[in-house]
This record gives sequence, structure tokens and C-alpha cells, in this order.
Amino acid sequence: GDSVTQMEGPVTLSEEAFLTINCTYTATGYPSLFWYVQYPGEGLQLLLKATKADDKGSNKGFEATYRKETTSFHLEKGSVQVSDSAVYFCALRDDKIIFGKGTRLHILP
Amino acid sequence: DSGVTQTPKHLITATGQRVTLRCSPRSGDLSVYWYQQSLDQGLQFLIQYYNGEERAKGNILERFSAQQFPDLHSELNLSSLELGDSALYFCASSAGQGGNEKLFFGSGTQLSVL
Repeated sequence: GDSVTQMEGPVTLSEEAFLTINCTYTATGYPSLFWYVQYPGEGLQLLLKATKADDKGSNKGFEATYRKETTSFHLEKGSVQVSDSAVYFCALRDDKIIFGKGTRLHILP
Repeated sequence: DSGVTQTPKHLITATGQRVTLRCSPRSGDLSVYWYQQSLDQGLQFLIQYYNGEERAKGNILERFSAQQFPDLHSELNLSSLELGDSALYFCASSAGQGGNEKLFFGSGTQLSVL
């Protein structure tokens, strides 16, 4: 069945560092891909999405490109801030939404 | 504020008991989704309803059931509770049922089974 695998955390970086959180997927169809973010004590919020191959989703300085050839959707940000500390979930949607296990990100001032 | 309301925020109960979690979707949204978030399993999709009908089913145990009412609110019923059912249960809603729908999540119900 469909699945999402993302890098295990926690990931700890200093402010202004470059961030990459890896995400790969397996799917039988042509899913849409998403990154969700969960701030402490809150529900999940959609961060960005891409609906077809080579699409790039972007929001709040975060980017991810739908790479069909490598079945990946890695999340990147050029310069992280303390306020980016959260749990990030990669997800795909075909007939239902499947999430990765989440990656906790700590940004140190 | 996502517009999705979940009650209660916290629930503490004992093994063997039955509880009901409630979700009110965003105004106008027809789909409701339930997720279980535990430390070891991550975020697991349980079930989706669209306009009162079951639309998709995930890793939902037979001890769990859900329904969506005519006013579109949804309830998740958990019975014969076990210690391992302790988790954060999220509800989400979306306008339709398509693959590109944006989901809006509630803040969750934290269930502790003692």
C-alpha cells in the first residue's frame, strides 16, 4: 500500500542554518504531496503542497519539489528561525491521506 | 484558529470504559476525518466521512466507531479502552472529498487511559 517515510528526529539546528527534512513516498497512483506543521499544543496546519510531478510548493520561506523520479518531496528552508521549532509531517493523498511519522525540529537561538 | 472544534480537550478514563469524542467541522465543510497521534505510531488515519456517509477507512480498530450527523458534526466512539489507546485524537475537515482538498485540523482531544 501507499506509504510515507520521513527522516527521524529530532533535528536540532542553530538559527539561520539551512534546513532539509527528507521525505520519500511509495504510491500506486499519482498522489498529491503535502507538508503539514504542528506547533506545540496545536493541531496540524498545511504548510505547502504540490499536486503533480515537478511542482514546487512554497510558503513562509519553506520549499519542496515533487520529484517523481526519486519519489521524494524534501522540505527545505534557507535560513531557519526559532519560531520554526515544531513537528513537520510529510503526507500524500491518493484516495486517503497518509502521513509520515513526523520530524521534530528544534532551532536554537 | 482553524474553525474546527473538538471536545473535550482532555479526557482521563479507565481501561474497559467507553468514551465519545466530538468534532464540529468548519462551517460549510462536508468532510470530516479522524486521526490518532501516538508517540510510536505517528499520525494514523482512522476514518473519513463525507456528507454523512463513510468515505474512506484506515487503521481503525473494531472497538472504535464513528458517525457523521445531519448537521455534519462527527463523533468518534472508543470502547473497551486499553492502555495503548492513550493518544491525541485529531479531527480535520475539508470542503469536499477530492485529492487536493486542504485539511483544517482541530486542536485535538488528549485521551489518557489509566
